[in-house]
Parts: sequence; C-alpha cells; structure tokens
Amino acid sequence: AQSVTQPDIHITVSEGASLELRCNYSYGATPYLFWYVQSPGQGLQLLLKYFSGDTLVQGIKGFEAEFKRSQSSFNLRKPSVHWSDAAEYFCAVGGVGNEKLTFGTGTRLTIIP
Amino acid sequence: DAGVIQSPRHEVTEMGQEVTLRCKPISGHNSLFWYRQTMMRGLELLIYFNNNVPIDDSGMPEDRFSAKMPNASFSTLKIQPSEPRDSAVYFCASSDGDHTGELFFGEGSRLTVL
Repeated sequence: AQSVTQPDIHITVSEGASLELRCNYSYGATPYLFWYVQSPGQGLQLLLKYFSGDTLVQGIKGFEAEFKRSQSSFNLRKPSVHWSDAAEYFCAVGGVGNEKLTFGTGTRLTIIP
Repeated sequence: DAGVIQSPRHEVTEMGQEVTLRCKPISGHNSLFWYRQTMMRGLELLIYFNNNVPIDDSGMPEDRFSAKMPNASFSTLKIQPSEPRDSAVYFCASSDGDHTGELFFGEGSRLTVL
C-alpha cells in the first residue's frame, strides 16, 4: 500500500526566512512524487514533481524539492518565503502506470511579518 | 485552456435531499478523478474514470454515492439521500492519462448538508 506522511500540521515562518516542509512516503516500487499547494477556497496547484533523474527538482514560485530514496523523503524547500506563500501544502505519491495519487494530510504554512 | 470546471461552487441543502455535483475536465484529458476533502480525513479519492469507464470506485463511501461519466467532457457525482456527514469540499481533477499521475484540479464544490 502507498502512503504519505507529512509530520508537520502547521508551520509558521517569518517573511524572508527559509522554509522546509517534510514529506515521507511509502511505495512498493519506484515512486512518482508531487508537491501541490492549495490557497484558501481554491483547488490544488502543482508546484513540482519528481519522476526520475536528478534528485533535486525545481518548481514554480521558487520552490525546490529533493528526493532521497534512502530516507523515503521528498522535502520541499524555499530559500526565502514571501507572504503570498501562505497556503496549505500537500505531498503526494504515485507510480509507473498508477494513476491513483495518495496525498498526505497537508501542512499549513503561516507567514508572519 | 479553461482548466477543470466544477459546479456549483457552493451548495447548501437539507438532509435527505439529492445533491448533484458536476465536472468538466480539461479537453483532451482522458482520466477524471473525484476527491473529497474534510478536516478530519484530508483528501480522499472517491472514484476515477479512464476513457469514461469507472476504474476504481473503492473510495465511494456507500451506496448513497454514485458517479457517472456519460462522455469525455462531463461527469457527475450524486449523493442521494444526503446526510450532514457528507459536508465537505468535493474536487474534480483530470489528467492526460500519461500514467505519470499529474493531476489538474478544479476549484471544488463546497457542500453543506444541514
């Protein structure tokens, strides 16, 4: 069975500070990994994805994530957050020929001035 | 591209009433997914279709829920009769069926059952 764990329910950071959101997954084969962002009242928007190749992937809005197979992790990072980054972030896992994504429970990000 | 379009955006109804949620996927996408989002359970996959055929409905909570996809550009999720515990945001998502799992989400339908 596939699963995703996002251990941090809520994170607060200061504007301009760096950010790391944690994601651990369980998947029986080579995973496809995703980070989505959800702003209040909106649907989910894809930030970045990992399928294969370079384990450091770049996404939109200045986000990046690193796939670490040995740790079953896919943490999301941003060097300097902006107030507009306040949202809920979801990590998800799927795989080759597997259209069913499993989502984590999300991490709510609050930005303080 | 118009993206995934869902209607209604908000629905308030009374217990026992029938609710129908609608979704228009992105043109050319051949997979469609219905998710439910609640505070308690997060995002749950209810059902997904490939080429208009239901592939996996194991997430449908019970017989009160049904979903159809009569053609490539339209799907419905119906709840009959509705109950207060069905209150949630229901998302429709589509993908181009390239088996990578990348989903494109609609803005959701917020359902409140009184």
